[in-house]
Amino acid sequence: GQNIDQPTEMTATEGAIVQINCTYQTSGFNGLFWYQQHAGEAPTFLSYNVLDGLEEKGRFSSFLSRSKGYSYLLLKELQMKDSASYLCAVRGGWAGNNRKLIWGLGTSLAVNP
Amino acid sequence: DVKVTQSSRYLVKRTGEKVFLECVQDMDHENMFWYRQDPGLGLRLIYFSYDVKMKEKGDIPEGYSVSREKKERFSLILESASTNQTSMYLCASSFNRQTSKNQPQHFGDGTRLSIL
Repeated sequence: GQNIDQPTEMTATEGAIVQINCTYQTSGFNGLFWYQQHAGEAPTFLSYNVLDGLEEKGRFSSFLSRSKGYSYLLLKELQMKDSASYLCAVRGGWAGNNRKLIWGLGTSLAVNP
Repeated sequence: DVKVTQSSRYLVKRTGEKVFLECVQDMDHENMFWYRQDPGLGLRLIYFSYDVKMKEKGDIPEGYSVSREKKERFSLILESASTNQTSMYLCASSFNRQTSKNQPQHFGDGTRLSIL
């Protein structure tokens, strides 16, 4: 079957660095997405990886290893506003125009002062 | 910026009512999606559409139907609302043929639907 695993909860301290892991097993692979979702709000797109390696975007970076079925989201210089749920999603086999995503359940990150 | 607009933020309906949730996107996206999100269950796909008048079942289509008469609008219909359909409903869209790379789904603000 198709499956995405990520930790349910994490806590970290303001100013620190945190790494949120995601492992996946899917039939085919055509990209991995990270989203941020604050409580009561919609998910917002953070990053996209389709090739192995690190993609950096300001304080956020995302890494992908396709051979290991593994990704992580790295958040640096944590701020209180980074307290949110972080969702990992994989686009499976190529369907011509990227349709469905397979979603993890999300990692709830609490940033403490 | 992509704008996905859902018709209501909060909605309260009664058991047995027919409920319509509307979603409009302004980016000429091909794909549109309806999800529901419940604590501990994550995002679950109800239906999606990849073209006008085309639809495909997602993971939990039972009790729902959809309509896509125009490219920019995707409607979710609860045929006969039940209490177990109380949830947060999220609409998303993706993929413009003119910009085919790196196509995330963009979400509306969500509709918190309560069925009493």
